[in-house]
Amino acid sequence: GAVVSQHPSWVICKSGTSVKIECRSLDFQATTMFWYRQFPKQSLMLMATSNEGSKATYEQGVEKDKFLINHASLTLSTLTVTSAHPEDSSFYICSARPPGGDSYEQYFGPGTRLTVT
Amino acid sequence: GQNIDQPTEMTATEGAIVQINCTYQTSGFNGLFWYQQHAGEAPTFLSYNVLDGLEEKGRFSSFLSRSKGYSYLLLKELQMKDSASYLCAVMDSNYQLIWGAGTKLIIKP
Repeated sequence: GAVVSQHPSWVICKSGTSVKIECRSLDFQATTMFWYRQFPKQSLMLMATSNEGSKATYEQGVEKDKFLINHASLTLSTLTVTSAHPEDSSFYICSARPPGGDSYEQYFGPGTRLTVT
Repeated sequence: GQNIDQPTEMTATEGAIVQINCTYQTSGFNGLFWYQQHAGEAPTFLSYNVLDGLEEKGRFSSFLSRSKGYSYLLLKELQMKDSASYLCAVMDSNYQLIWGAGTKLIIKP
């Protein structure tokens, strides 16, 4: 089956620093990747849709200058949280959609837990 | 607006059957998904319904009625490991997933 990895699985950083999270599709090429954020006891909230070779599409209310997304290859997308603040502490999950096939296919990474102190 | 409703929490007994309901109002419909999410982990795919009716997959079944904007996930022969949150999500006309808040299922011995 399709496998998506994320790195790191958890990270603790100081307020004001930047953190980069990687999302990789290990055994398929992903033309589209999605970045979600999930606060405790809440549902997933889509932050942005990332298409390989083009700019990401951000959801309303998500600051594109704060959450930088780069989808430079068909197997890698990165999310950089710039100048992180404690309120950015959350569970960040990526998912990837393989090209072709059924449009509903979407495979999730294991998530990255970010804690900003 | 788009809306997905599902109960916040349910409790059931090991070995029993539980039904988790989901109602939705979305702009367009390209299928309904059920995901299981254990605490601290990413969601894992359970089922996908795009046509009306019941889809059975082992102990889990999922039902869809598009005219009623309604789905349920049925879990049989409950096991302790089924304790998790169950997320209902609808794919809208833009092929974007709209997520419910999830139902936390607690299984008691």
